[in-house]
Amino acid sequence: NAGVMQNPRHLVRRRGQEARLRCSPMKGHSHVYWYRQLPEEGLKFMVYLQKENIIDESGMPKERFSAEFPKEGPSILRIQQVVRGDSAAYFCASCAQATVSGELFFGEGSRLTVL
Amino acid sequence: EDKVVQSPLSLVVHEGDTVTLNCSYEVTNFRSLLWYKQEKKAPTFLFMLTSSGIEKKSGRLSSILDKKELFSILNITATQTGDSAIYLCAVTNNAGNMLTFGGGTRLMVKP
Repeated sequence: NAGVMQNPRHLVRRRGQEARLRCSPMKGHSHVYWYRQLPEEGLKFMVYLQKENIIDESGMPKERFSAEFPKEGPSILRIQQVVRGDSAAYFCASCAQATVSGELFFGEGSRLTVL
Repeated sequence: EDKVVQSPLSLVVHEGDTVTLNCSYEVTNFRSLLWYKQEKKAPTFLFMLTSSGIEKKSGRLSSILDKKELFSILNITATQTGDSAIYLCAVTNNAGNMLTFGGGTRLMVKP
């Protein structure tokens, strides 16, 4: 039973390019969360999605960032026109329940470096 | 805005020592507090606490929650080098839609 799968694990982009990060939740999980972790900092909530719906995007910058979780396929976090400050580890997590009353399962993260 | 503060920021101990990590929080409509261990990769779940005064235990790790004083501690006894990691504390509220994380405590256990 595969865990939360994220790819790519490492991504290097130049300023102005686009970054696409993918997350396949655990089997049977339909709730996906994206978190960002800057060096030496904790995890910051970005967005919470269910299949085909964005439930809470209060942690996501209003510009350049978008997320989706289509009916088929992985959840995607898209960052347009990346800047150096976007360099971070982006973690995806999933759970089976509508509320986080239990364990949240994390992927191993996608590390974005913007040159 | 929900807030979680962890202390100390970092800690260096020797194998066999006992450590206590602290987590204080401010949450509207608190639901639960969770501890995660993050080595170089994905955070892995340790404990979830919802009730005051009830200790959760797993091997050498234990944790307790004080809902009156709004904090939790994570204890690790007889530390080993494999305990070296970042320990993250997070809280959820009754909406339950997301975890709010603290900045973590970086623990290094030296042989």
